[in-house]
Amino acid sequence: QQQVKQSPQSLIVQKGGISIINCAYENTAFDYFPWYQQFPGKGPALLIAIRPDVSEKKEGRFTISFNKSAKQFSLHIMDSQPGDSATYFCAASTYNFNKFYFGSGTKLNVKP
Amino acid sequence: DGGITQSPKYLFRKEGQNVTLSCEQNLNHDAMYWYRQDPGQGLRLIYYSQIVNDFQKGDIAEGYSVSREKKESFPLTVTSAQKNPTAFYLCASRRGDLGYGRTGELFFGEGSRLTVL
Repeated sequence: QQQVKQSPQSLIVQKGGISIINCAYENTAFDYFPWYQQFPGKGPALLIAIRPDVSEKKEGRFTISFNKSAKQFSLHIMDSQPGDSATYFCAASTYNFNKFYFGSGTKLNVKP
Repeated sequence: DGGITQSPKYLFRKEGQNVTLSCEQNLNHDAMYWYRQDPGQGLRLIYYSQIVNDFQKGDIAEGYSVSREKKESFPLTVTSAQKNPTAFYLCASRRGDLGYGRTGELFFGEGSRLTVL
């Protein structure tokens, strides 16, 4: 049973456009929702994270929107750039960070 | 520079052989993790360790074994019992599990790609 469901599997966006990736979860004990960015042949790196006490968090061109009642959260990349082309993973964890559950990943391709 | 070092980067194995993947961190992190990455399946947790000399099974531990004899080292052995071992393996660490400075950020190594011939 997949704890975190992510969509779409792949995404093509024109340079300057908005990229949107969605995730949904079931376990209401989850308390921490990070997004990771992975370039080919590399390990993932933390991009941005949110706790459920806020509905939105913004860092530069990256924004997480969080809907606690719907148990959904999404990553928005504004003014997408070719350098943003990578695979993005959402994840969820309980408050003690013992285990992280990852989504299946979204491969983003930003066309110049 | 602090970070996580995984070795080897590429490894080929014949069926029936055990192989050990190395993971070393100099970040002074308490917690360490092993994930397996397959196309379209995200990252799946194999084993994790919150403290030296202690570790727990993740969601796909069958056919794998680990040890945590030192804080900085968390090697993963892929045994012959693992039915489909060809994959990209990622090691990660996390700081401050014992209270002060606790954070949810995982720091990943660059991975080891295992291919079974």
